Amino acid sequence: DTAVSQTPKYLVTQMGNDKSIKCEQNLGHDTMYWYKQDSKKFLKIMFSYNNKELIINETVPNRFSPKSPDKAHLNLHINSLELGDSAVYFCASGQGTDNYGYTFGSGTRLTVV
Amino acid sequence: GNSVTQMEGPVTLSEEAFLTINCTYTATGYPSLFWYVQYPGEGLQLLLKATKADDKGSNKGFEATYRKETTSFHLEKGSVQVSDSAVYFCALSDPGSGNTGKLIFGQGTTLQVKP
Repeated sequence: DTAVSQTPKYLVTQMGNDKSIKCEQNLGHDTMYWYKQDSKKFLKIMFSYNNKELIINETVPNRFSPKSPDKAHLNLHINSLELGDSAVYFCASGQGTDNYGYTFGSGTRLTVV
Repeated sequence: GNSVTQMEGPVTLSEEAFLTINCTYTATGYPSLFWYVQYPGEGLQLLLKATKADDKGSNKGFEATYRKETTSFHLEKGSVQVSDSAVYFCALSDPGSGNTGKLIFGQGTTLQVKP
């Protein structure tokens, strides 16, 4: 049973399109995150939700909109996709405390052409 | 601001060699420190952690000690295997983020182990 699952695993789309990535966790964690990993493997946090409430919203274009229907799900919707959005997007979940760490999903590789 | 710096990669070693991957951090307050590993095509997995100064985290033969005086958390393994080839990330919990569990990652270090 996958603890943090993301769909799709690969996504190839044209510039200007709108796409969504879904994430679900079955660990009972209260907090979920979206991270972006660029081509140099650098990881940067984008958003975090705790019990459906947005708690972290880093400097991200407003074309990116997270949505959390319940604490087990955190989706990422991207409008008007640009070439620079190509990256691997990771969902993660945790207990929302400083010393616990996360469980990551396997990632969604987004390629904008 | 808070940050993590890792040694540049790739690090290339022969099987059974000793591994050190350096990690230093800058943080206000007292963060927890983590090492994550990313195998090709996969997500990150928590390898080990330490929550206070002088703590040693260990797992699968890897270990790292939280050194407050040198603000370091170097990863070591006595004898690497080909299966250890992966990207290793050092991270800290952001003390200034409240109770969000936000992690700040280093840039990653690629390890290649040759038979």
